[in-house]
Amino acid sequence: KAGVTQTPRYLIKTRGQQVTLSCSPISGHRSVSWYQQTPGQGLQFLFEYFSETQRNKGNFPGRFSGRQFSNSRSEMNVSTLELGDSALYLCASRGIGGTLFFGSGTQLSVL
Amino acid sequence: GENVEQHPSTLSVQEGDSAVIKCTYSDSASNYFPWYKQELGKRPQLIIDIRSNVGEKKDQRIAVTLNKTAKHFSLHITETQPEDSAVYFCAASSPGAGGTSYGKLTFGQGTILTVHP
Repeated sequence: KAGVTQTPRYLIKTRGQQVTLSCSPISGHRSVSWYQQTPGQGLQFLFEYFSETQRNKGNFPGRFSGRQFSNSRSEMNVSTLELGDSALYLCASRGIGGTLFFGSGTQLSVL
Repeated sequence: GENVEQHPSTLSVQEGDSAVIKCTYSDSASNYFPWYKQELGKRPQLIIDIRSNVGEKKDQRIAVTLNKTAKHFSLHITETQPEDSAVYFCAASSPGAGGTSYGKLTFGQGTILTVHP
């Protein structure tokens, strides 16, 4: 079974731009969660999607948004990028037992 | 919402020693407590988890204990090896809304474990 796949692996953007990250969950998993990882803040929850509906949301500004498609693939969008958005963005799919399986992440650098 | 505190932030041990990492959580409804290991430049990977109806779980050299009354849980690694060096994260999840089994997973800040040969 293929694992969680995230693209792209690395991304460099400038302030004010927007970015879209993609995540394909493990086959059969319908839940996809997104986390932001920074050295000082650890793993911060962004949102979770299940069957194309946002089920949970973290405490991030509205510039951070996401969606999920009928095939469970998910995208995350960040608009009007700020320097502080530089981070590793991790996607995870969740199985029936509740375990999160993480992708390798997208390393976003905002210049 | 749920808040998870993890201690210590760094831990240095000699090979063969034991390592203990402790976490506390705030939401008494939390029912699922996984531990993740993240090696440098790699994704977090589940190493062990425990559910609220169990007090202790062991898998070879690693074990997790849960004290629901005190709302804390701990990771124990025995006979540490250099390859155990990594960042360890605890997490807690309460039941989800709308009858779903699991809500969002809230992580602790992480513990950098270094095992010296």
